[in-house]
Amino acid sequence: DTGVSQNPRHKITKRGQNVTFRCDPISEHNRLYWYRQTLGQGPEFLTYFQNEAQLEKSRLLSDRFSAERPKGSFSTLEIQRTEQGDSAMYLCASSLGAGSTEKLFFGSGTQLSVL
Amino acid sequence: AQTVTQSQPEMSVQEAETVTLSCTYDTSESDYYLFWYKQPPSRQMILVIRQEAYKQQNATENRFSVNFQKAAKSFSLKISDSQLGDAAMYFCAYTPGGSNYKLTFGKGTLLTVNP
Repeated sequence: DTGVSQNPRHKITKRGQNVTFRCDPISEHNRLYWYRQTLGQGPEFLTYFQNEAQLEKSRLLSDRFSAERPKGSFSTLEIQRTEQGDSAMYLCASSLGAGSTEKLFFGSGTQLSVL
Repeated sequence: AQTVTQSQPEMSVQEAETVTLSCTYDTSESDYYLFWYKQPPSRQMILVIRQEAYKQQNATENRFSVNFQKAAKSFSLKISDSQLGDAAMYFCAYTPGGSNYKLTFGKGTLLTVNP
């Protein structure tokens, strides 16, 4: 098991374009989280899946953002009509939900630059 | 809303010395968890140490220990015998007890270790 994998590692796009990121969690992890980290800030929660169900979304996740986790395996995060303010690192994390012993494992993120 | 404050944007320490990173938080919850995460230049967030609020005993992990002051809502990280590999951004994080790990992070402290 190589941990949480995120692709691509970097993405440069022009304003108005659509982008999609992929996250492959640790196998058998039933929970998957997306966070966004802007320069000089800590990560901010975006959304969370338990298996294939998206259980919570932050108000940060505007209508231009959509996330999916088909069959409870990998997840994709799509941003439509990108804006310069979307430039950030998008982090994915997974865990095997087990109450007080739950531990999050993070990927290395996708760095998005919107020109 | 819960907030996490790290008042030290940057800290430095000599190799083999001890350094303490500060964190305060605000919550009205009685059941919660606190964490310190390390983010090296590779960008992957790595869990350093975790503390359950209901435990009075301070958590320790090898050279890393915390000073958890629940009444003061303070959660500092002490790194003993600092090593060059400890150089990274350190983030304090909070999550309420419950069914998911929606973390709230501080802005981070950049730790430099001088040889």
